[in-house]
Amino acid sequence: GESVGLHLPTLSVQEGDNSIINCAYSNSASDYFIWYKQESGKGPQFIIDIRSNMDKRQGQRVTVLLNKTVKHLSLQIAATQPGDSAVYFCAQTNRDDKIIFGKGTRLHILP
Amino acid sequence: GAVVSQHPSRVICKSGTSVKIECRSLDFQATTMFWYRQFPKKSLMLMATSNEGSKATYEQGVEKDKFLINHASLTLSTLTVTSAHPEDSSFYICSAGTRRYNEQFFGPGTRLTVL
Repeated sequence: GESVGLHLPTLSVQEGDNSIINCAYSNSASDYFIWYKQESGKGPQFIIDIRSNMDKRQGQRVTVLLNKTVKHLSLQIAATQPGDSAVYFCAQTNRDDKIIFGKGTRLHILP
Repeated sequence: GAVVSQHPSRVICKSGTSVKIECRSLDFQATTMFWYRQFPKKSLMLMATSNEGSKATYEQGVEKDKFLINHASLTLSTLTVTSAHPEDSSFYICSAGTRRYNEQFFGPGTRLTVL
């Protein structure tokens, strides 16, 4: 079956440091992998995506890495800020283009 | 642009009653809307896909007679939780757009509490 999971449920990072959130996935047939940010009591917010034929993509302060050999996805946030506190979900698309969400990692920013 | 609203944002109801949740695309037309539920500290689980003018497609394990979905226009989809029970208490989130993942925009969610 399809599943997307995360290695750590909670990650604490010092403000200003870089954050790395990891994700393992099982469906190697996905065309796209996506990272979402969800703040408390709100819906998910798209952060960045990567096509399956790429291994790295950069956005503003964020980088997504895809390692298809080990079915691993990561999100790197540079210079973590208090506003980055949220739950981060990795997700992938299935053959019907539906979004399959992973379990989420809560990112805590330490002052 | 691409704003999606949900109403109500919070609802508390008694067991056995029905609750309707609205999902609206405010500044664009959505041919497809998706409904998700999210339990506390859990991930989003897709419940159903709603296409304008046609019947919704439900994911495996989701009771279509319990979760009634109507997509009457290109800007509105409704989810009705019929005969709600405490185990239906959850955070219900919709997304609106097209079938493409990168053309879907999420609403703010509706917190349902069934007493």
